[in-house]
Amino acid sequence: AQKITQTQPGMFVQEKEAVTLDCTYDTSDPSYGLFWYKQPSSGEMIFLIYQGSYDQQNATEGRYSLNFQKARKSANLVISASQLGDSAMYFCAMRQIYNQGGKLIFGQGTELSVKP
Amino acid sequence: NAGVTQTPKFQVLKTGQSMTLQCAQDMNHNSMYWYRQDPGMGLRLIYYSASEGTTDKGEVPNGYNVSRLNKREFSLRLESAAPSQTSVYFCASSGQPNGDTQYFGPGTRLTVL
Repeated sequence: AQKITQTQPGMFVQEKEAVTLDCTYDTSDPSYGLFWYKQPSSGEMIFLIYQGSYDQQNATEGRYSLNFQKARKSANLVISASQLGDSAMYFCAMRQIYNQGGKLIFGQGTELSVKP
Repeated sequence: NAGVTQTPKFQVLKTGQSMTLQCAQDMNHNSMYWYRQDPGMGLRLIYYSASEGTTDKGEVPNGYNVSRLNKREFSLRLESAAPSQTSVYFCASSGQPNGDTQYFGPGTRLTVL
């Protein structure tokens, strides 16, 4: 069965420092996609970054990068130069590429707090 | 471009009442989804529509029905609400089911008393 595990319920980071949010996944499918979403206190789900299982390079989007280690089945999110506005819940999610409908499977989330 | 919109934003129901959550997207996406988020948990898929004219069950479909009214609109109906359906409901859409990022609406916070 497919599963996403986020082992850090909550994390603190000092403003302007980098932080890594952990995500491990379990799937037997060779093709899949990995996503990170941000959920601020206002409640919306904001797409941050995507990594395909066949992508050779780690994905980057501005201050966000995804540290993809396929053999370890991990897809950690790295946020560089943290800002106060980064305080939010962060969800890792996986989609099987050939699964009909493209269903996303979510982890339980990590609550990040950025300290001034 | 509004993206994905949902109505209402908040709703309180009594046990046994029915209601329909509305979702619309203006991105010309083919696929649409309904998720629920319970406290301290990630989102779980209720139903999805891979393309106009098709709907399929997700992980937690019991107690819900859906209608893909047209390419833009995908509604979720609770026929007889139960307290266990108290949750935040998110609608999402993607260009293609297997190839594209899902973009989410702002959510509907539903309380069933």
